[in-house]
Amino acid sequence: AQSVTQPDIHITVSEGASLELRCNYSYGATPYLFWYVQSPGQGLQLLLKYFSGDTLVQGIKGFEAEFKRSQSSFNLRKPSVHWSDAAEYFCAVGAEGGYQKVTFGIGTKLQVIP
Amino acid sequence: GAGVSQSPSNKVTEKGKDVELRCDPISGHTALYWYRQRLGQGLEFLIYFQGNSAPDKSGLPSDRFSAERTGESVSTLTIQRTQQEDSAVYLCASSPRSTRYGYTFGSGTRLTVV
Repeated sequence: AQSVTQPDIHITVSEGASLELRCNYSYGATPYLFWYVQSPGQGLQLLLKYFSGDTLVQGIKGFEAEFKRSQSSFNLRKPSVHWSDAAEYFCAVGAEGGYQKVTFGIGTKLQVIP
Repeated sequence: GAGVSQSPSNKVTEKGKDVELRCDPISGHTALYWYRQRLGQGLEFLIYFQGNSAPDKSGLPSDRFSAERTGESVSTLTIQRTQQEDSAVYLCASSPRSTRYGYTFGSGTRLTVV
């Protein structure tokens, strides 16, 4: 069964600083990987996704993530954080095949301080 | 429609009453998912529809929970004899047949059982 680990439940960064949110997955084959963002009181919005090809993927709002098969990781990065990036971030793993379920991590809550 | 629509956005109900939550997916999306998000927690999978069949109902927490879907359209999640522990945000998502495109989430229904 597939699983996702987000080891950091809460992260605080200063505005303008760089950001890296960690995600490790467990899946036997090549996974589909996603990062979602949830602002307070909102649903989840897809930031970026990986399913094949270039292992460095670009997303919306200046985010990027790198798929590292050897480390089973898909960390999310942003070079300079803005106050509006404060939200909860969810990593997720899915797969092609007969069943389409995507498994989500527990989320990392990002706080941005001035 | 242009996005996933959920109604109502907020629902307050008395313990023991039945509630129905509605999800209207993106037109053409064959897959539909229900998740539950308790306060401060990650996403808890409830049920997955492909068309109007539900290959995976394993996340439904008890027989008080049921869901149905009309064709590749609207889905209804019903909770009978609500309990206080059912209080949560119920999120619906839809996707094309392939998971590689990720899910599109609705804004959720916030259910409060008093």
